[in-house]
Amino acid sequence: QKEVEQDPGPLSVPEGAIVSLNCTYSNSAFQYFMWYRQYSRKGPELLMYTYSSGNKEDGRFTAQVDKSSKYISLFIRDSQPSDSATYLCAMSGKETSGSRLTFGEGTQLTVNP
Amino acid sequence: KAGVTQTPRYLIKTRGQQVTLSCSPISGHRSVSWYQQTPGQGLQFLFEYFSETQRNKGNFPGRFSGRQFSNSRSEMNVSTLELGDSALYLCASSLRGLAGDTQYFGPGTRLTVL
Repeated sequence: QKEVEQDPGPLSVPEGAIVSLNCTYSNSAFQYFMWYRQYSRKGPELLMYTYSSGNKEDGRFTAQVDKSSKYISLFIRDSQPSDSATYLCAMSGKETSGSRLTFGEGTQLTVNP
Repeated sequence: KAGVTQTPRYLIKTRGQQVTLSCSPISGHRSVSWYQQTPGQGLQFLFEYFSETQRNKGNFPGRFSGRQFSNSRSEMNVSTLELGDSALYLCASSLRGLAGDTQYFGPGTRLTVL
């Protein structure tokens, strides 16, 4: 079983829809939770970063972390065609692991005009 | 500030050959990590270097190796290439390489093994 599970999709929504992306994880040592966005033929770019449990909002994006359920989410409001990309959840934990990130498989999102 | 750069962007090799990929981190960043991305496995951690020392290693065979130079630039080498090594190889840099440090990714090197 993978440490981080993410529904690979693909997910197709109309422009303006609310998108919900989710990951579950098994390693309770994870403390730092990230969402990366990856456009085709590009490297991942950091979208949201959350430490421990809680919510974080940045414009149309909201990240939620529920450590008790080992579940993280990314919500995209008023989705745009430019949001079409692969979304990757990533996590890291104890100091002894350095900055090593453990990724979910990625969810491919298409927002249709 | 310039981002993470990787060279070459594309490579085609044949089985049995070896390959060297290069990564230049963001100026001032001392930690460089390498990841392999494939459709089936997603992004998998290869290794991390900090101050020219390998600090962390993923679950890959010894054919995969790397090094870091005093200017923080890093190279990774894959010897005796196999078809399954075809992947996007991503390099990421961070300031101190600590858990929670933001990692910035380069565009990747697309390796195709024929």
